[in-house]
Amino acid sequence: EAQVTQNPRYLITVTGKKLTVTCSQNMNHEYMSWYRQDPGLGLRQIYYSMNVEVTDKGDVPEGYKVSRKEKRNFPLILESPSPNQTSLYFCASSLNRGTYNSPLHFGNGTRLTVT
Amino acid sequence: TQLLEQSPQFLSIQEGENLTVYCNSSSVFSSLQWYRQEPGEGPVLLVTVVTGGEVKKLKRLTFQFGDARKDSSLHITAAQPGDTGLYLCAVESNDMRFGAGTRLTVKP
Repeated sequence: EAQVTQNPRYLITVTGKKLTVTCSQNMNHEYMSWYRQDPGLGLRQIYYSMNVEVTDKGDVPEGYKVSRKEKRNFPLILESPSPNQTSLYFCASSLNRGTYNSPLHFGNGTRLTVT
Repeated sequence: TQLLEQSPQFLSIQEGENLTVYCNSSSVFSSLQWYRQEPGEGPVLLVTVVTGGEVKKLKRLTFQFGDARKDSSLHITAAQPGDTGLYLCAVESNDMRFGAGTRLTVKP
């Protein structure tokens, strides 16, 4: 089954403790992206990757890191999480950059709470 | 200011009612997408509209792209509890940009 898999689904952590949220897709998509979703603000892009070893900042990259060492994986790293990073995070992928003929496929989300 | 303004923010109706939600902007776009997000899941693409004035139907859902390609509407006929979810519009603007969504609740 074609899918985007995120882990974990839920994560509660404390301020400053490094964490990684994994994302993997099995559709051979070139483009991958991370979003955070907050009430009233919609989905805001954190980082995206056009292909292996190519990553770029989105709208809200501060406090996050990503890497794209292989095509299928795009982990999101929070080196020193803070409470304002408490949010619902989504990984998404598409064949190429999300366009009208290449829609985004989303994972089921990771709900992160930083205390 | 959001690139895409969706209204209403929340909508709660009874099963069988009709409803329309809106996605507005002051910018012109080459295409616009509608996604539905159900609780505990990621957004799923419903439709893409490309041409100004275009109307697309997906069972009881009717999507329209404004003539000037600045806005779009989603009309649901005879809503059912299974239509409950967050409806998001999205456009390609350097990258995909999303509205904040309309949260629809259809009560049995």
